[in-house]
Amino acid sequence: NAGVTQTPKFRVLKTGQSMTLLCAQDMNHEYMYWYRQDPGMGLRLIHYSVGEGTTAKGEVPDGYNVSRLKKQNFLLGLESAAPSQTSVYFCASRELSTDTQYFGPGTRLTVL
Amino acid sequence: SQQGEEDPQALSIQEGENATMNCSYKTSINNLQWYRQNSGRGLVHLILIRSNEREKHSGRLRVTLDTSKKSSSLLITASRAADTASYFCATRIQGAQKLVFGQGTRLTINP
Repeated sequence: NAGVTQTPKFRVLKTGQSMTLLCAQDMNHEYMYWYRQDPGMGLRLIHYSVGEGTTAKGEVPDGYNVSRLKKQNFLLGLESAAPSQTSVYFCASRELSTDTQYFGPGTRLTVL
Repeated sequence: SQQGEEDPQALSIQEGENATMNCSYKTSINNLQWYRQNSGRGLVHLILIRSNEREKHSGRLRVTLDTSKKSSSLLITASRAADTASYFCATRIQGAQKLVFGQGTRLTINP
């Protein structure tokens, strides 16, 4: 039982490049979330999903897109990376019965 | 502005002492949760307290909730070096599908 995994762990992009971050969970959770964490800002919600095939915007969705084609996977895409998207990105899934969120180890992204 | 605000932003104590962190929020909540984050790692769920509860214990952790003051506190008793981490409160607003996180308290336990 791996829990929540994220790939890649680190990435450096140039401005304008695109990339996809992959989140996978093996706990059969319906709800999944993408956050970004910046110094002094806590965690801010980018997008979330309440089930396969559904997504919704969070607090800071601009510049990001997401897809939930399979229940276990939640993808976060950056179409044209900007330096302001330099951050640590965390994925989480939610167990409804306990309302507990399980977090992945994070992806550290630098945009030059 | 943040739904959850934490105080203090940083706390440094000696091993064996108790550590208290506070969280205030603005709107009615369904529950309040505390998470720990070790440096360079993801967040780990510690404890959840529901809006109709006033106090909850888990091992060396004690959480209180005062809905009239819209505040919560996390007490870690008999602190250990391994407790060094950042601690975040997160609120589940009534009817919402998302958690709103505070900015965190950075706790350092000195040996």
